[in-house]
Parts: sequence; structure tokens; C-alpha cells
Amino acid sequence: EAQVTQNPRYLITVTGKKLTVTCSQNMNHEYMSWYRQDPGLGLRQIYYSMNVEVTDKGDVPEGYKVSRKEKRNFPLILESPSPNQTSLYFCASSLSFWGSYNEQFFGPGTRLTVL
Amino acid sequence: AQKITQTQPGMFVQEKEAVTLDCTYDTSDPSYGLFWYKQPSSGEMIFLIYQGSYDQQNATEGRYSLNFQKARKSANLVISASQLGDSAMYFCAMRGLGNQGGKLIFGQGTELSVKP
Repeated sequence: EAQVTQNPRYLITVTGKKLTVTCSQNMNHEYMSWYRQDPGLGLRQIYYSMNVEVTDKGDVPEGYKVSRKEKRNFPLILESPSPNQTSLYFCASSLSFWGSYNEQFFGPGTRLTVL
Repeated sequence: AQKITQTQPGMFVQEKEAVTLDCTYDTSDPSYGLFWYKQPSSGEMIFLIYQGSYDQQNATEGRYSLNFQKARKSANLVISASQLGDSAMYFCAMRGLGNQGGKLIFGQGTELSVKP
């Protein structure tokens, strides 16, 4: 089944404790992206990757890191989480970023709470 | 800078009636794509419909249609014959189709409630 998976789905952690949220897709997609969703703000893009070893900042990259060493994986790293990073996080992928139609497939979301 | 605005935080519609969810956008990109997503209470993001800025016709997908008015920079979603299962958050999104195609921006969302 074609899908985007994220782990963990739920995480409660404490300020300053490094964490990684994994994202993996099995569709051979070039493009992957991370978003955070907060009430009243919609989804905001954190980072995106147009291919292996190519990443770029979205609108809210502060406090996050990403890497794209393999095509299928795009982990989101919080080196020193803070309470303002409490949010619902989505990973998404699409075949490409270039061209007219590239529907993004979303993972199920990771609900992160930083105490 | 690109911007998406959804001015209706919440809407109600009677079952079997049509409803229009508003979306306006601002961009300097000459070509761009507009998307609508549905997010039910379970949380997943479901793609509904896409409209390219150079598409001559308004997009349709089953009960969903996109009323695209390029000059007014609006891309409203029309849901015909509403069903109880249509109750959800709806997000409008946009991205450029050139070398800024990696950036996708979303509106704040509209929460639709369908009444029996």
C-alpha cells in the first residue's frame, strides 16, 4: 500500500531533550516536506526537500533540523525542544515539486507535547 | 510574498444543500497551483481537488468543484449535495510551479458542519 508513515504518532517530552520524528514514504517520491499545525494558523511549512541531499527552509524552520540521506526518509530533528514546539506535525511527499500537478500525500500526523 | 486567506472560520450547511468555502490568495508567481484538503476529526489530511493557474476550465472531482476566478484571485470550493460525512476542516493551499515549487502555503482553514 502506498503510504507515508510517521513515528511516533504521539510523544510527550521535556524541554531540552533531543528528539527525532521519522518520516518514510514507499512511493519513490522526490519531494518531501514537514508541516506543523496549530489552531487558527492552519499548516505551516517547516522544511522541504526536493531530492536526496537537497533541503530548504519553509516558513517556520527555527528550532528544527532535517536531513535527506535516502529518498524514502526525511526525519525531523528537534535538538532542544521547547514548549512552543508543542504541535501536530505532518510529513508529506509528492512525486515532484516541478510541474502542474503534484498532489501531496500526507502522513497520519505526530502529536508532540513539550513540557 | 505568497498568502492564502480563508475568511470563514466556521460554517453550517443543511444536509443535501450546496455550500461554498471561500479562498483568496496573493502571489507574484506567474504560474501556480491551488489545492483543497479536507481534515476530518480523525486528523488525516485528504486531498480533494487541484486547479492550475493556466487551466482553462474549473476543476471538478465528483461533488467537489473549484470556482476559480483568476482576476479576483479567488479559488472557492463548492461542495454540492452536502453529506454528514463532509463535516470537517477544509484547507486551501497554494504553491508556485516554478523554482519556488517546493514551498506550499496553507490558509487558516474553515470548519464545516453539516446539519441533518
